[in-house]
Amino acid sequence: DIQMTQSPSSLSASVGDRVAITCRASQTIRNFLNWYQQKPGKAPELLIYAASNLQSGVPSRFSGSGSGTDFIFTISSLQPDDFATYYCQQTYNGVTFGGGTRVEI
Amino acid sequence: QVQLVQSGAEVKKPGTSVKVACKTFGYTFSNYYVQWVRQAPGQGLEWMGRINPSGGSTYNPQKFQGRITLTRDTSATTVYMELSSLRSEDTAVYYCARLFGNYFDSWGQGTLVTVSS
Repeated sequence: DIQMTQSPSSLSASVGDRVAITCRASQTIRNFLNWYQQKPGKAPELLIYAASNLQSGVPSRFSGSGSGTDFIFTISSLQPDDFATYYCQQTYNGVTFGGGTRVEI
Repeated sequence: QVQLVQSGAEVKKPGTSVKVACKTFGYTFSNYYVQWVRQAPGQGLEWMGRINPSGGSTYNPQKFQGRITLTRDTSATTVYMELSSLRSEDTAVYYCARLFGNYFDSWGQGTLVTVSS
């Protein structure tokens, strides 16, 4: 099974900060890497697919990069609405989620 | 628009089974796999398996094999997830989601299943 290691598990930041979250796969997953945002009591929502593609309707302050085993998710200028937990997900072989990163404003 | 609407919360006793429904709207039902994901209280997301609504084929990770049954009703555009031999560790919110390409683009609202004696 492919393991996804996400870091940090939590972070505190201020409005306007640049925030970066990393996700590492235990083996190559090419670009089969997606990022989701989940707010308390809600289902996850897709932000980035195929490592670097912004889902329709998602603000451009969100971005993703990487391929192979190492990936980065970035929020360029943190907004109050971005308080949430973020998950990476691989769909290269089965499906595995990272452990999540809780972003506190 | 695409929507997945799940059945309501359930309270079950250990050793029994639960069946969660996921009704789909707004797209051609047979064209997209439906996935199941669960989230225990305060924990992360765990993939449970998927069903191909076209032919009904399923795949589940080894952890759930023998305990999970995924089915679909094409006339009702609904998929079902049944989990048997419930234990307290199965207390979680269960989500269905549509697989679009290689990502989950639409999710159900979640169904809380509580396992308690």
